[in-house]
Amino acid sequence: DAGVIQSPRHEVTEMGQEVTLRCKPISGHDYLFWYRQTMMRGLELLIYFNNNVPIDDSGMPEDRFSAKMPNASFSTLKIQPSEPRDSAVYFCASSFGDQETQYFGPGTRLLVL
Amino acid sequence: SQQGEEDPQALSIQEGENATMNCSYKTSINNLQWYRQNSGRGLVHLILIRSNEREKHSGRLRVTLDTSKKSSSLLITASRAADTASYFCATNPNSNYQLIWGAGTKLIIKP
Repeated sequence: DAGVIQSPRHEVTEMGQEVTLRCKPISGHDYLFWYRQTMMRGLELLIYFNNNVPIDDSGMPEDRFSAKMPNASFSTLKIQPSEPRDSAVYFCASSFGDQETQYFGPGTRLLVL
Repeated sequence: SQQGEEDPQALSIQEGENATMNCSYKTSINNLQWYRQNSGRGLVHLILIRSNEREKHSGRLRVTLDTSKKSSSLLITASRAADTASYFCATNPNSNYQLIWGAGTKLIIKP
């Protein structure tokens, strides 16, 4: 299996621009998680889905952030408009049923200037 | 809110020595997991220990869990340079698959 795939791996954008991060979970996994990691705040869960349905989005920092999972093999995290404080590494992870182990993608390193 | 807290925050040892990292948590859990993160990479799952287990081994890794003290330890024996990474504990306080993460221990293995 290819593992969790994220794109792009790096993104540099200017403040105010829209940013879209993409994730392909491991085939067969029914949970998908979006995390943000910064030096200051560590690893934060933003939102997670079960069978494509958002279950808990309480970690989404503000309305500028939105996430979708239109099907079992694809999810997006969108930031509009982006701000410099959104600069971080964004990880997608997936897991299967009650095994509870999460498999992480390589992350997208976002820099907002 | 942060559930798992790793200790120490940073650890530097000589290659070949054993490395021990600790994790404390606050609420009852279903399981506790340890992950490794190499610089610039995603997290990789190392080991999962359930609340009814006290010790688990995987290769050079040994994890213990003391639910009465709400703490866990990760021991890496015969450390290698490739073990240099950050190590995170994550607890599963209930069965909603939302892990609660600690801040991590940064481990440096000196050759």
